[in-house]
Amino acid sequence: QQQVKQSPQSLIVQKGGISIINCAYENTAFDYFPWYQQFPGKGPALLIAIRPDVSEKKEGRFTISFNKSAKQFSLHIMDSQPGDSATYFCAASTVQGAQKLVFGQGTRLTINP
Amino acid sequence: EPEVTQTPSHQVTQMGQEVILRCVPISNHLYFYWYRQILGQKVEFLVSFYNNEISEKSEIFDDQFSVERPDGSNFTLKIRSTKLEDSAMYFCASIKDLSSYEQYFGPGTRLTVT
Repeated sequence: QQQVKQSPQSLIVQKGGISIINCAYENTAFDYFPWYQQFPGKGPALLIAIRPDVSEKKEGRFTISFNKSAKQFSLHIMDSQPGDSATYFCAASTVQGAQKLVFGQGTRLTINP
Repeated sequence: EPEVTQTPSHQVTQMGQEVILRCVPISNHLYFYWYRQILGQKVEFLVSFYNNEISEKSEIFDDQFSVERPDGSNFTLKIRSTKLEDSAMYFCASIKDLSSYEQYFGPGTRLTVT
């Protein structure tokens, strides 16, 4: 019940296209959903996050869509650029308690020029 | 911009040896975490730490592991007797307070146990 399932494992998108990564969770106690971007040899960097009181959050080219009833959330990268090539992790936590993050398996995104 | 720092960047040790991984969280942050990432796998929570005590730990964080905040800036993870399966990237993270939610990660320490 603590798992967060992420798909796809890898994704190749042409420059300028839309990249979409999906995550699903089971624990209805989760109420904070961040996305992290990780470049090789670096730590995860917070990209964007959402709470379940809204269905969408947009920051520049990055949008999170959240479906509470389906227990799913997704990351959309508009106008994808080669510099977006990285591994993306979704995560979930509860805002009560220690706020430990439960991560998805990760998606390796490659943007072809 | 303030950032979490970790040392060393790479540690090689022999099985059975003790290692200490060091982290300097962002200076005004109050909550600290250790996560690990085995090569090619997802990031996994190990332990959270607040007010000089463990607030939560995972099943991975057994008696071989310990954490400490020896002074006002450092946060350490000790593995008493390393095993081959402890080889992983270890990330430290910190959060300002529990109302801000945003965890900031360090660059990680790659631990290789031979």
